[in-house]
Amino acid sequence: NAGVTQTPKFQVLKTGQSMTLQCAQDMNHEYMSWYRQDPGMGLRLIHYSVGAGITDQGEVPNGYNVSRSTTEDFPLRLLSAAPSQTSVYFCASSHASGVSYNEQFFGPGTRLTVL
Amino acid sequence: AQTVTQSQPEMSVQEAETVTLSCTYDTSESNYYLFWYKQPPSRQMILVIRQEAYKQQNATENRFSVNFQKAAKSFSLKISDSQLGDTAMYFCAFMKHQGAQKLVFGQGTRLTINP
Repeated sequence: NAGVTQTPKFQVLKTGQSMTLQCAQDMNHEYMSWYRQDPGMGLRLIHYSVGAGITDQGEVPNGYNVSRSTTEDFPLRLLSAAPSQTSVYFCASSHASGVSYNEQFFGPGTRLTVL
Repeated sequence: AQTVTQSQPEMSVQEAETVTLSCTYDTSESNYYLFWYKQPPSRQMILVIRQEAYKQQNATENRFSVNFQKAAKSFSLKISDSQLGDTAMYFCAFMKHQGAQKLVFGQGTRLTINP
């Protein structure tokens, strides 16, 4: 199993550009989420999904869009990048039920810089 | 809303010593989960230990153990016989027992193990 994969690992954008951060998991997890990590603030939840076709907002959703058309993939879209979106982005996934249902597996992260 | 506070931004100990990382949280929920995650320089988020609030017994995982004080809303992590590979950022996190699996993270503690 590859686990949770994220692409790209690094990205530099100019203000106003758009892009999509990719996230995929091969563990048949129902639950997927996106977090951002900023210095001194820990990780904060952006959006999450409890299954294909179902998404909801987290703590800091502004400026980001998500969709979930398959169980495996959960892309995060930046519509018009701003310097405040400079951060490290993590995707995570977990089962929605079962013994280890709330053990979230994290991807390796994407470091995004917006100039 | 839930909040998680880690009051020690940085800690440093000698190899083989025991170290305790502090975490306090605020919630009105009666049942929930608490986690400690490790983030080494590779940036990968790794689950260290998990505690269910309704369980009285403190969780242990090899050299890692927690001191869970529900009334005081305190959840500290003890690392025994510390090793150089324990050098990392450590994050305390909270999750409600019911509903979406939304993790609320503390600010993190940077732990350095010196040879």
